[in-house]
Amino acid sequence: DGGITQSPKYLFRKEGQNVTLSCEQNLNHDAMYWYRQDPGQGLRLIYYSQIVNDFQKGDIAEGYSVSREKKESFPLTVTSAQKNPTAFYLCASRFSGSTYEQYFGPGTRLTVT
Amino acid sequence: AQTVTQSQPEMSVQEAETVTLSCTYDTSENNYYLFWYKQPPSRQMILVIRQEAYKQQNATENRFSVNFQKAAKSFSLKISDSQLGDTAMYFCASTDSWGKFQFGAGTQVVVTP
Repeated sequence: DGGITQSPKYLFRKEGQNVTLSCEQNLNHDAMYWYRQDPGQGLRLIYYSQIVNDFQKGDIAEGYSVSREKKESFPLTVTSAQKNPTAFYLCASRFSGSTYEQYFGPGTRLTVT
Repeated sequence: AQTVTQSQPEMSVQEAETVTLSCTYDTSENNYYLFWYKQPPSRQMILVIRQEAYKQQNATENRFSVNFQKAAKSFSLKISDSQLGDTAMYFCASTDSWGKFQFGAGTQVVVTP
């Protein structure tokens, strides 16, 4: 089955710790994205990558880092510099070219206490 | 830069009735695409419908249709014959030629028996 996987579904961390969220896709998509969703709000773009070894900051990149070493994988690290890390994180991917929609993973709920 | 505005935080509709969700956008792009996504309580994002800006014909997908008014930068979604399974948060989104997506804040649709 083709799709996007995010693991784990729920993640708990202590304040001050870095944490990495996994995102893998087997759709052969070129571009991958990370979004943050807070209660009652829309999706805000953290980082996106159009090709391997290249990525761009989104609207709220501060306190986050990413890597794109493989086409299939786009992990997101939430660093201790992120002031309000508790949120729902969504990963998405798509083929390059503006005609294509994004496909989303099931999301990871991160709670930092 | 793109902006997407959804001015209706919540809409309620009875089963079998019709509901229309509004969305306005702003973009400097000449070629762009617009989307409606659905996020049910499971939080899985699902594509509902998409519209190419250069096409005048409004897109339709079964019970879902859009009213695309390019000059007014309006992109409303009509859900006909509403079903209980349509209960979800609905997001309007646009994408630019660089593949960067912008989402609105969402409209919660509640379908009642």
